[in-house]
Amino acid sequence: EDQVTQSPEALRLQEGESSSLNCSYTVSGLRGLFWYRQDPGKGPEFLFTLYSAGEEKEKERLKATLTKKESFLHITAPKPEDSATYLCAVRPTDSWGKLQFGAGTQVVVTP
Amino acid sequence: DAGITQSPRYKITETGRQVTLMCHQTWSHSYMFWYRQDLGHGLRLIYYSAAADITDKGEVPDGYVVSRSKTENFPLTLESATRSQTSVYFCASSEGGVRSNQPQHFGDGTRLSIL
Repeated sequence: EDQVTQSPEALRLQEGESSSLNCSYTVSGLRGLFWYRQDPGKGPEFLFTLYSAGEEKEKERLKATLTKKESFLHITAPKPEDSATYLCAVRPTDSWGKLQFGAGTQVVVTP
Repeated sequence: DAGITQSPRYKITETGRQVTLMCHQTWSHSYMFWYRQDLGHGLRLIYYSAAADITDKGEVPDGYVVSRSKTENFPLTLESATRSQTSVYFCASSEGGVRSNQPQHFGDGTRLSIL
């Protein structure tokens, strides 16, 4: 059975304090791994797609990396506006377009 | 503005009533999806559709019905609402093709409370 586990569940950071979020997955074959950001009262907003081990993607203070078993979302020198819940999702090769989501990591960045 | 819109944003109803949540997208995406989001469970897929008149069950379909007569609309109906269906419901869409690896794009959700 496909599984996606995110850790930690919650993360509290001081402004400027870099950290990493983890997404570990178990799938028979991976077509893609997706990172989303979700603000309170809003739908998930697409950030990155990673396709193969070793791949990296960057956007402002966020950098996503992928290995064969897990993905990391690195937040460098975060600002309060980076506060959100970050969701990871995998698309297995036999998924017909569907995504399997993790439960998310809630990040709070304080000034 | 182009995108994906859900209505209503908030809904309160009683057990046993029928309620329909609407989803409309302006991108002409082939794929559309319905999820529910609950604390401790994350996003769980209810139903999905690859094109007009093609729908299939996701992980938690019991108690829900969908239809897709037009590409841009994908309504979700709770035929006889139960308290366990109190949740936040999200609609999403993505570009089509079985081998496509495009991301899903989400609406801002409907918060449904069943008393």
